[in-house]
Amino acid sequence: NAGVTQTPKFQVLKTGQSMTLQCAQDMNHEYMSWYRQDPGMGLRLIHYSVGAGITDQGEVPNGYNVSRSTTEDFPLRLLSAAPSQTSVYFCASSSVAGGLKDEQYFGPGTRLTVT
Amino acid sequence: DQQVKQNSPSLSVQEGRISILNCDYTNSMFDYFLWYKKYPAEGPTFLISISSIKDKNEDGRFTVFLNKSAKHLSLHIVPSQPGDSAVYFCAASSGTYKYIFGTGTRLKVLA
Repeated sequence: NAGVTQTPKFQVLKTGQSMTLQCAQDMNHEYMSWYRQDPGMGLRLIHYSVGAGITDQGEVPNGYNVSRSTTEDFPLRLLSAAPSQTSVYFCASSSVAGGLKDEQYFGPGTRLTVT
Repeated sequence: DQQVKQNSPSLSVQEGRISILNCDYTNSMFDYFLWYKKYPAEGPTFLISISSIKDKNEDGRFTVFLNKSAKHLSLHIVPSQPGDSAVYFCAASSGTYKYIFGTGTRLKVLA
């Protein structure tokens, strides 16, 4: 099992450019989520999904889109990058069989810089 | 408005001694709490959790205590080891699919 994988590891964008951060998991987890980590702010939830075709907003969804067409993949799209989106992005997944009592498995992160 | 707070950004402890990491929350609807550990350049990894129906949960060297009336939880690591040096995040959920994380405490265990 590869667990949760994220690509790319690093990315530099210019303001206004678009890109997609990829996330995949091979554990057949229903729940997937995206967080951003900023200094002094901890981890903040951007979007999450409880299954294919189902997505919802977290704490800081503005500027980001997601879709969930398969159980395995949960891409995060930045439509028009802004310097405020410079951050480290983590994808996570978990089973929901325990009713949210299951731990989340995190990917290694994508470090994004917007200039 | 930070619903989950870790007021100590850093903590240093001697190897073999107890490490106590604290977390406070403001939302009384939170009913499930977790601790994650994070090493540099890696994603967080799950450490231990506790439901609001309990006041203590233990797993090896790690124990989490929950004081609902004070809206406070703590993570005890005994004995502390150099490999425990990392950033620790507490997180809380209110039965929805949203987890709220604290800002983290950097623990340094001195050999």
